[in-house]
Amino acid sequence: LAKTTQPISMDSYEGQEVNITCSHNNIATNDYITWYQQFPSQGPRFIIQGYKTKVTNEVASLFIPADRKSSTLSLPRVSLSDTAVYYCLVAYSGTGGFKTIFGAGTRLFVKA
Amino acid sequence: GAVVSQHPSWVICKSGTSVKIECRSLDFQATTMFWYRQFPKQSLMLMATSNEGSKATYEQGVEKDKFLINHASLTLSTLTVTSAHPEDSSFYICSARSQGADEKLFFGSGTQLSVL
Repeated sequence: LAKTTQPISMDSYEGQEVNITCSHNNIATNDYITWYQQFPSQGPRFIIQGYKTKVTNEVASLFIPADRKSSTLSLPRVSLSDTAVYYCLVAYSGTGGFKTIFGAGTRLFVKA
Repeated sequence: GAVVSQHPSWVICKSGTSVKIECRSLDFQATTMFWYRQFPKQSLMLMATSNEGSKATYEQGVEKDKFLINHASLTLSTLTVTSAHPEDSSFYICSARSQGADEKLFFGSGTQLSVL
């Protein structure tokens, strides 16, 4: 099961682009990479998921290099409401089962 | 996106009583659901994997007789905290795995349990 490592916290200002990198050195061939956002006293909210290269949706982009040992979540033009904890998750999906283990997450503070 | 409903949002109970938490996938079927526990300012800790129609798989250190899991249908899993004690007070979160070509994991809103 791939272990993930992220920075404990990051600070930013409103309107800036924020990039959070996650390290997952022992990612397996079938593992997907998923990022979640969590506010206090709420369940994690799905942000974006990818397997390789780049994925973009309406709220974020996910960059995954060729070796897949890391991934970077990019949040364009953050606002105060983006202050939250962000988790990257590496999960296997296949006949062997499906399990996810959360890392410590990154606490993002967006300042005015 | 897919919706996972978790109920209740919060519960206060007396020590020694049992509490049941429900997790429902509202617009998809989930053969696998997961239960987590989270303490303040900490990450989510996986407690068990709930499999529809079979026994749950518990993580090391999680008492299966203490935390009873039932996954009787493809849209409902329940976690019962039996004979709750103050140390069981925590934020409990469930998730459900959507299947198909675009497989994802969606989370409930969590249940704050306070045992007096």
